[in-house]
Amino acid sequence: NAGVMQNPRHLVRRRGQEARLRCSPMKGHSHVYWYRQLPEEGLKFMVYLQKENIIDESGMPKERFSAEFPKEGPSILRIQQVVRGDSAAYFCASSRREIRGEAFFGQGTRLTVV
Amino acid sequence: KNEVEQSPQNLTAQEGEFITINCSYSVGISALHWLQQHPGGGIVSLFMLSSGKKKHGRLIATINIQEKHSSLHITASHPRDSAVYICAVRGDFGNEKLTFGTGTRLTIIP
Repeated sequence: NAGVMQNPRHLVRRRGQEARLRCSPMKGHSHVYWYRQLPEEGLKFMVYLQKENIIDESGMPKERFSAEFPKEGPSILRIQQVVRGDSAAYFCASSRREIRGEAFFGQGTRLTVV
Repeated sequence: KNEVEQSPQNLTAQEGEFITINCSYSVGISALHWLQQHPGGGIVSLFMLSSGKKKHGRLIATINIQEKHSSLHITASHPRDSAVYICAVRGDFGNEKLTFGTGTRLTIIP
């Protein structure tokens, strides 16, 4: 049973480009969470999704950021028109519906905006 | 004041020493996690606790729900234990997200 898979591991984008970060949860996991870790800062919650539903997006910036978790395929975190301040490590975690509180993390995607 | 406070922020110790990292939180929780992150690396969940104590190898985690406090202990510390250790709490039902402490940077010197 493969762990949570995130890709790419490293992503470099120029200012104004779009960044797409992918997260494939563990097999059997239907809940996905995205977290952001800014340089020299702690982890912060961004969004919580279940299949085809956004449950809690209270941590998402109001503009340029969106997330989805379709019925088939990975969860996608999309950042439009990236700026230097978006440079960070983005982590995805997944859990099973029936096991409240658990969290299995991916290796993260390190986004650098140049 | 942060909802999750960790201490110390940095800790340097000699190989073999007993290590304790503390976490205090101010909100109601359904679970508490201890996480490990190596520089530039991913995040590994070491423990999930809702009560009592758990042990895995040289690692021990305890939680006191009444006092809203948890500790992570490492016995017979080793240089490979050098990492950032992060405490994270999951809120009560309906608030599923994790809230994180700022982490404790542990360095074990051979």
